[in-house]
Formats: sequence, C-alpha cells, structure tokens
Amino acid sequence: EAQVTQNPRYLITVTGKKLTVTCSQNMNHEYMSWYRQDPGLGLRQIYYSMNVEVTDKGDVPEGYKVSRKEKRNFPLILESPSPNQTSLYFCASSFISGGINEQFFGPGTRLTVL
Amino acid sequence: EDQVTQSPEALRLQEGESSSLNCSYTVSGLRGLFWYRQDPGKGPEFLFTLYSAGEEKEKERLKATLTKKESFLHITAPKPEDSATYLCAVQAEYDYKLSFGAGTTVTVRA
Repeated sequence: EAQVTQNPRYLITVTGKKLTVTCSQNMNHEYMSWYRQDPGLGLRQIYYSMNVEVTDKGDVPEGYKVSRKEKRNFPLILESPSPNQTSLYFCASSFISGGINEQFFGPGTRLTVL
Repeated sequence: EDQVTQSPEALRLQEGESSSLNCSYTVSGLRGLFWYRQDPGKGPEFLFTLYSAGEEKEKERLKATLTKKESFLHITAPKPEDSATYLCAVQAEYDYKLSFGAGTTVTVRA
C-alpha cells in the first residue's frame, strides 16, 4: 500500500530534550516536506526537500533541523524543544509531475513539550 | 505573499442540506489549487487539483469549481460521513510551495 508513515504518533517530552520524528514514504517521491498545524493557523511548512541531499527552509524553520540522506526518509529533528513547539506535525511527499506539487500526507505526530 | 482565506470557519448542516464552502486566494499566477479533507486526528486526504478558471471536478457528493479569484467546494445532499475539515491550498507558478487556508469544519447531523 502506497503510504507516508510517521513515528512516533504521540510524544510527550520535556524542554531541552532532543527528539527525532521519523518520516518514510514508499512511493519513490522526490519531494518531501514537514508541516505543523496549530488551531486557527492552518498548515505551515517547516522544511522541504526536493531530492536527496537537497533541503530548504519553509515558513517556520526556527528550532528545527532536517536531513535527507535517502530518498524515502526525511526525519525532523528538534535539538532543544520548547513549549511553543507543541503542535501537530505532518510529513508529506509528492511526485512533482509537470510542476504540480500534489502532496500526500502522513497520519501526523502529536507533540507536547512540557 | 500568497494568501488563502476559507469561509465559513464552521458549517453545520442537516443531512441532505446542500451547501458550499469558499476558498478565496491571492497568488501571483496560479499553477494549481488543491482541496483536501481532514478527519480529526488524521492527516489531510487529497481530493482534487484544479488548474484553470472554469474547471470543475466531482467526486461522489463533492464538486469543486475554480474562478480567477476563488474556488468553491459544493456538497450535495451531505451525509454524516461527510463531516470533516476541508482544506484549500494554492501553488503559485515557478514555485513548489503550497499555501494553505485555515479550513472549514463541516458537521452534518442525521
């Protein structure tokens, strides 16, 4: 089954404790992206990757890191989480066919930072 | 900067009561407009891509239309299972980024 998977699905942590949220897709998509979703603010892009070893900042990159060493994986790293990073996080991927970025989303990771 | 505004924020419908959701956008050249459905606690699920003014797409009870400044998602004779948040996003020409609206939460009562 074609899908985007994320782990963990739920995470409660404390301020300053480094964490990684994994994202993997099995559709051979070039493009991958991370979003956070907060009430009333919609989906905001954190980082994106056009292909292996190519990453760039989105609209809200502060406090986050990413890497793209393999085509299928795109982990999101929070080096020193803070309470304002409490949010619902989504990974997405797409084939950029004809320039259209029709993205498919993972199930989400709900992160709480105490 | 691209802007997407969805209205209303919330919509409560009786089963069978048709209605429309609005997505107005400002973008310097539209490459595509996307509609997604999101159930509580789940990731957005892709519904439609619209490319140019005048285009329409349908899926079951949903029909999406596009003009030069807005898109409508029409829900015909909705059922309780159509209850969800519907998200609209735009992609500008010469860019791969999607800009999302805040969504419209639809509740359909039996």
